[in-house]
Parts: sequence; structure tokens; C-alpha cells
Amino acid sequence: EPEVTQTPSHQVTQMGQEVILRCVPISNHLYFYWYRQILGQKVEFLVSFYNNEISEKSEIFDDQFSVERPDGSNFTLKIRSTKLEDSAMYFCASSLRGGPPNYGYTFGSGTRLTVV
Amino acid sequence: KQEVTQIPAALSVPEGENLVLNCSFTDSAIYNLQWFRQDPGKGLTSLLLIQSSQREQTSGRLNASLDKSSGRSTLYIAASQPGDSATYLCAVGSYNTNAGKSTFGDGTTLTVKP
Repeated sequence: EPEVTQTPSHQVTQMGQEVILRCVPISNHLYFYWYRQILGQKVEFLVSFYNNEISEKSEIFDDQFSVERPDGSNFTLKIRSTKLEDSAMYFCASSLRGGPPNYGYTFGSGTRLTVV
Repeated sequence: KQEVTQIPAALSVPEGENLVLNCSFTDSAIYNLQWFRQDPGKGLTSLLLIQSSQREQTSGRLNASLDKSSGRSTLYIAASQPGDSATYLCAVGSYNTNAGKSTFGDGTTLTVKP
């Protein structure tokens, strides 16, 4: 079964450093998403991306965050200057369609980001 | 703004028992609802997806139902096993742009005792 692949599985970074989280969505999917889950809290929507531009972003997704699809297969989330509160599990997801009829989302296994 | 609530927050049952997990949502304008399983420190495993036009989906010992008008979904687990111990998340899919998004509940943490 096709998978969404995320690398690295765990990243430790110093506060103030830039990090790039990488995702390879399912090859024929057109919509891409990032979610995050702070330890012990809900999974929260960050951003959706379609046709090489952001479709929607949450209030969490401020100027410190950016997304990019640099080639035909990768989808990245960049945090420019990490803060302690950015420590979380970051999930990438993709879907074939953005609306009905929708096949649902396939999530990656996540990248655990620890900011020290 | 969509709000998703899962009850109970935690549940402990003896092996072999049938159980029901509940999910409620405030905005019935959804296009799907997905149930996920999450093991501690791990990613999200999709269990069942129900489109808004459907009323239920089944996979093995799992059955999920959806009642859009009342804003509720249930996940029924038959003959529970210790391996079912995990956190179960309900995620409601909605859209207001050209891409959807899911709103997650807090989850129900299930413990099945041998």
C-alpha cells in the first residue's frame, strides 16, 4: 500500500536554528498538509498546499513557517528560527482530492522535533 | 469553527469485551470522518474512513457509524484484545477552500487488560 514517508524520524535542534522537515507524499496525490501534535495535546492543522501554493493556513502557521514543493516528489516544512514551543511531532499528509468525493488522508509516521 | 469532542477520555476493559468510543462534532457540514489509532510516541494509523454520504464502515472487528444530523460518530470494537490498547482519534474532514482539512478530537485512550 502506498505510504507517505517523512524524514528524519527524530530531530534535535538548538533554539534559534532553522530546521527543514521533509515528506514524500503518495505519488499521484495532489493535496498536501502539515499537522503537528505537541506532547499530550491534540493533533492540530498547520497548512494545506495545492497547485504549488498554500490553500489554507492556521493561526499557528506564522511567518516563521514556510512550505515548499521543491521538485515533483518532496514536500517540506521549514521553521526559520525554532523556539522551545515548536517541540512537537510533525505529521505530513496527502490526499488525492481536496473535497468530496474524498478518499481521506494518508498520514506519514511523523518527525519528532525537539528544540533545546 | 469545528469542535470535536471524544468521550470517554480513557477506558479500561477486560479482554474480550465489546466497547464503543464516541465522537461528536459541532458543525455538520463535513465531507468525511476518519478514525485513527495512535500508539504512544508513534504516528497515525488510519482505521476507517466514512464519507459524508455513508452511514457506516466496517473493517474486521471494527465498525464505525456516522450520523451527520446529530453530529456524532461511534467506533465499535468487538471482542477487544490487549493489542487494541492505544489512543483512538476521531478526525472530521471539512472544507471551505479548494483544499480540505481535518479537525481532531483529543482521543480516547483504551487499555485492554488480559
